[in-house]
Amino acid sequence: DVKVTQSSRYLVKRTGEKVFLECVQDMDHENMFWYRQDPGLGLRLIYFSYDVKMKEKGDIPEGYSVSREKKERFSLILESASTNQTSMYLCASTLNYEQFFGPGTRLTVL
Amino acid sequence: QKEVEQDPGPLSVPEGAIVSLNCTYSNSAFQYFMWYRQYSRKGPELLMYTYSSGNKEDGRFTAQVDKSSKYISLFIRDSQPSDSATYLCAMAGAGTGAQKLVFGQGTRLTINP
Repeated sequence: DVKVTQSSRYLVKRTGEKVFLECVQDMDHENMFWYRQDPGLGLRLIYFSYDVKMKEKGDIPEGYSVSREKKERFSLILESASTNQTSMYLCASTLNYEQFFGPGTRLTVL
Repeated sequence: QKEVEQDPGPLSVPEGAIVSLNCTYSNSAFQYFMWYRQYSRKGPELLMYTYSSGNKEDGRFTAQVDKSSKYISLFIRDSQPSDSATYLCAMAGAGTGAQKLVFGQGTRLTINP
C-alpha cells in the first residue's frame, strides 16, 4: 500500500514564527502536492512538484514556499505564520492521476 | 464560474436509502473522474476512478460519467452509518503534466441509523 505520512497531526504556532510541514511518500512517485482545506472552500492547491528540485505555484501560493530536495520528501514552509493560515494542510502524491493523501496536519496560528 | 461545481450539502438520509451525489464541470478536456471519501479529521481516500464516459460499479457504489452533459454522479445503495463522510469529486484532463486534479467543494453526508 502507498503510504503518505505527515510530520505532525496537530501543530500550534505563534504569529510570525517560521513553520515547517513535512511530507514523505514511500512509492517513488514523481508528483507531490500541498493543499489547504477550509470549511466552505474545499481543497485549494498551494504548491506542487513534478520532480526533485522542481516546483510550481498552485492557486494560493502567497505566504508559502516549498522544498523538494529528495524525491520522497516535500516540505511546505510558512515563512512568517499568520492567523489566516490556520487550516488543515494535506499532502498528496500521484500515480496515474490517483492522488494518495496523507492524514493531514491541523495547524493553529495564535 | 468554477470549473467543478458540487453541492456542499449537508445531506442527511436514513439508513438503507439510496444516495445520489453529483458534480457538474465546464472543462470538456476532462478525461479522468474520481470520487474521494473523507472521514472527519482524516485525509481523503480514493473511492472510485473512471476514465472517460460510462458507469463503474464497486459493491454498493456506482459511479457514472456523462461527458455530453458534463455531469458525474456517485450512487450509494443500501447506505450505512459508516458511509457518513464528506465526498469530493475530482477530475483531470489527459496530458496535464503533473497530473493535477480539480476538486469539487465536497458534499457532507450523514446516514442516520
